[in-house]
Amino acid sequence: GQQVMQIPQYQHVQEGEDFTTYCNSSTTLSNIQWYKQRPGGHPVFLIQLVKSGEVKKQKRLTFQFGEAKKNSSLHITATQTTDVGTYFCAGLQAGGTSYGKLTFGQGTILTVHP
Amino acid sequence: NAGVTQTPKFQVLKTGQSMTLQCAQDMNHEYMSWYRQDPGMGLRLIHYSVGAGITDQGEVPNGYNVSRSTTEDFPLRLLSAAPSQTSVYFCASRVTGITEAFFGQGTRLTVV
Repeated sequence: GQQVMQIPQYQHVQEGEDFTTYCNSSTTLSNIQWYKQRPGGHPVFLIQLVKSGEVKKQKRLTFQFGEAKKNSSLHITATQTTDVGTYFCAGLQAGGTSYGKLTFGQGTILTVHP
Repeated sequence: NAGVTQTPKFQVLKTGQSMTLQCAQDMNHEYMSWYRQDPGMGLRLIHYSVGAGITDQGEVPNGYNVSRSTTEDFPLRLLSAAPSQTSVYFCASRVTGITEAFFGQGTRLTVV
């Protein structure tokens, strides 16, 4: 079945440093979504990418979808303590019988030291 | 607007006991799903439903049952709890198709 791998599993940064997490799928995706989960909280939707090569920005966050629609990345510029949490990618498989299934990556736990 | 409501928030079970985790949404979403979250494993899909009366298995369905008699409710049943089912369980809903998922607050389950 579809697998979505996310790296790194953990990332510790000093406040002000940049952060990137990467997501790779074993199959072509129809779209990819990113979620953030604060410690003790539940995942909250950040953004969705649909088009090959798409790049979207939300303030200090930049999201990219690969040309082959099999990989994606989230980059945070100048991290702040409010960025602490776990970032998940989730892929929806293109075509097939896996209708509506979102497959999540393992998540990257981000710690920001002030 | 309550969104997705899960109950209970915390539960301790003894091995072999059964219980039902409740999930309700008030957004008229067609698609509902259950995930479990374990350290280093991300969110793994247990069961999902694309509408009332229609359910299907995810990647880790063993030991769990679901039903979808109404659009609003999607309960998850543990038939005979095992320590391996100790986890945090999340229910999520969305409009069918390529749309964002809304998650409940989660249920932290411990099986002893």
